Amino acid sequence: KNEVEQSPQNLTAQEGEFITINCSYSVGISALHWLQQHPGGGIVSLFMLSSGKKKHGRLIATINIQEKHSSLHITASHPRDSAVYICAVIRPGGGADGLTFGKGTHLIIQP
Amino acid sequence: DTGVSQDPRHKITKRGQNVTFRCDPISEHNRLYWYRQTLGQGPEFLTYFQNEAQLEKSRLLSNRFSAERPKGSFSTLEIQRTEQGDSAMYLCASSLAGTGGEQYFGPGTRLTVT
Repeated sequence: KNEVEQSPQNLTAQEGEFITINCSYSVGISALHWLQQHPGGGIVSLFMLSSGKKKHGRLIATINIQEKHSSLHITASHPRDSAVYICAVIRPGGGADGLTFGKGTHLIIQP
Repeated sequence: DTGVSQDPRHKITKRGQNVTFRCDPISEHNRLYWYRQTLGQGPEFLTYFQNEAQLEKSRLLSNRFSAERPKGSFSTLEIQRTEQGDSAMYLCASSLAGTGGEQYFGPGTRLTVT
């Protein structure tokens, strides 16, 4: 079993739909990243959070440390949101051993 | 551009050749990470530097792989005697110690071994 599990692996939705991507982890963490990766490979950090909820534009990320679960929500989805969304966790110690990544959720938003 | 840069962006090489990739982190960042991502998978940690010291190496980093960060600024990742299984995206990221570990990623170098 991977230490970081994401669901769903693939998601196709229509423009305007509310999107939820889930991430569960089995290790102790100090923080969690949500990352976006477009075709071509570049990765952009969307959020880093260790508790509660963060919002940036149409994106919302939540984390429940007790349940070891985080969600990424996209409101009013748009075709330009199509990308791979990756959850990654930072272990206590400040990231000295890097991030542990989920396999990603491949999101396609159709016009 | 003050982000993380990587060079080259794409590299095609024949099996058995050596390749070297470069990463230039954000200038004030003292931590630098290398990751490898194969098709359909999430990235996997390879190695990590704090300043010029290589502090962590993954089991994935075989003895054909070597990374350096000689002056604590840019880093190089060399793969000797490349194999087809080395084909992947090699990602570099940097962070500033003490800021909670948020990492900033470069665009990656896509390696294809034929």
